[in-house]
Amino acid sequence: DQQVKQNSPSLSVQEGRISILNCDYTNSMFDYFLWYKKYPAEGPTFLISISSIKDKNEDGRFTVFLNKSAKHLSLHIVPSQPGDSAVYFCAASNSGGGADGLTFGKGTHLIIQP
Amino acid sequence: GAGVSQSPSNKVTEKGKDVELRCDPISGHTALYWYRQSLGQGLEFLIYFQGNSAPDKSGLPSDRFSAERTGGSVSTLTIQRTQQEDSAVYLCASSYGTATLNYGYTFGSGTRLTVV
Repeated sequence: DQQVKQNSPSLSVQEGRISILNCDYTNSMFDYFLWYKKYPAEGPTFLISISSIKDKNEDGRFTVFLNKSAKHLSLHIVPSQPGDSAVYFCAASNSGGGADGLTFGKGTHLIIQP
Repeated sequence: GAGVSQSPSNKVTEKGKDVELRCDPISGHTALYWYRQSLGQGLEFLIYFQGNSAPDKSGLPSDRFSAERTGGSVSTLTIQRTQQEDSAVYLCASSYGTATLNYGYTFGSGTRLTVV
């Protein structure tokens, strides 16, 4: 049973426009949510996170929104740039990512078109 | 080192053989994690080490898998009698404690294991 779901395996967005990546979760005990970005043949790179006590966190072009009642979060990238083309993973934790690790979604492959 | 180092980067092994994967975390990081990513799947948590303390092994897929961390630094993940379903990218990550909110983990580039 997947506790973190990314229902779009891929997403194509034009350069300069907004990219919106979605993530749903089922476990109400999750209290940290993170986004990772992964290029081929590299390990995932931490992008941005949000605590369950907040509904928005912003870092430059990246904003994460959390809707706890809907158990849904989204990552907005604006404006999208060619270097943003990568696989994006949503992850969640209920222990600070320690003993239980992080629970990851399957990822969304974002393609930025010129 | 500057980042998390994993070796080998690629490993092809015959079914039934044992393999050992190595992870060198960032110096000073007390927490170390192993994950694996099978084809088309998300990352699956395997095991976590905090310093020298004994890990919770319940996340390991089977008793053919074992992991150890010597001196609170380098870790090895050993898979005995490999099976084809063990084929995956094995990723190691490290962090200061479990402070994932602001920093997340730092992942290595992984070991791509192929069992033939």
